[in-house]
Amino acid sequence: DQQVKQNSPSLSVQEGRISILNCDYTNSMFDYFLWYKKYPAEGPTFLISISSIKDKNEDGRFTVFLNKSAKHLSLHIVPSQPGDSAVYFCAASAFGNQFYFGTGTSLTVIP
Amino acid sequence: AAGVIQSPRHLIKEKRETATLKCYPIPRHDTVYWYQQGPGQDPQFLISFYEKMQSDKGSIPDRFSAQQFSDYHSELNMSSLELGDSALYFCASSSRYGTTYNEQFFGPGTRLTVL
Repeated sequence: DQQVKQNSPSLSVQEGRISILNCDYTNSMFDYFLWYKKYPAEGPTFLISISSIKDKNEDGRFTVFLNKSAKHLSLHIVPSQPGDSAVYFCAASAFGNQFYFGTGTSLTVIP
Repeated sequence: AAGVIQSPRHLIKEKRETATLKCYPIPRHDTVYWYQQGPGQDPQFLISFYEKMQSDKGSIPDRFSAQQFSDYHSELNMSSLELGDSALYFCASSSRYGTTYNEQFFGPGTRLTVL
């Protein structure tokens, strides 16, 4: 059973515009969430995290929003750059245990 | 800054052979996680260790075993390899203390191909 879902397998955005990647989860015990960026044949690279006590965390061009009541989080990238083109995974964990990954969203930023 | 090291980066084996994958966590990290990512799939959690003890177990086949050693490096041992074991195997490490609490840092992965 997929506890973390990314319903958009792909997304194309023009350079300079905002990219919004979405993630839904089912387990209300999740208390820590991460977004990863992954290039082909490489390990995931950590982007940004958020704990369940917050509803927003910002780091440069990346902002993650958490809506606990809707069990939904999103990653905003603004402005989008061609180097942001990659597969983005959201992941969630409860009480410091294993992370459950979504299926990923492939972002293409068009120059 | 030091990152998670995995070796080998690429490994080719034949069916029914054995393979050993190694993971060296970031210094002072106490927890190691193993993930398997098949072609076109999201990473699946296999097993994790905290302070050299198994802390959590996911979808790890009985043919696989793992351990964490006194220097905190971990090894994933895979026996009776099957074609379906061909995947990218990631190791991640984290610390339960400090400013990066619970953040998992991933290694570059080992690409295993079973022929």
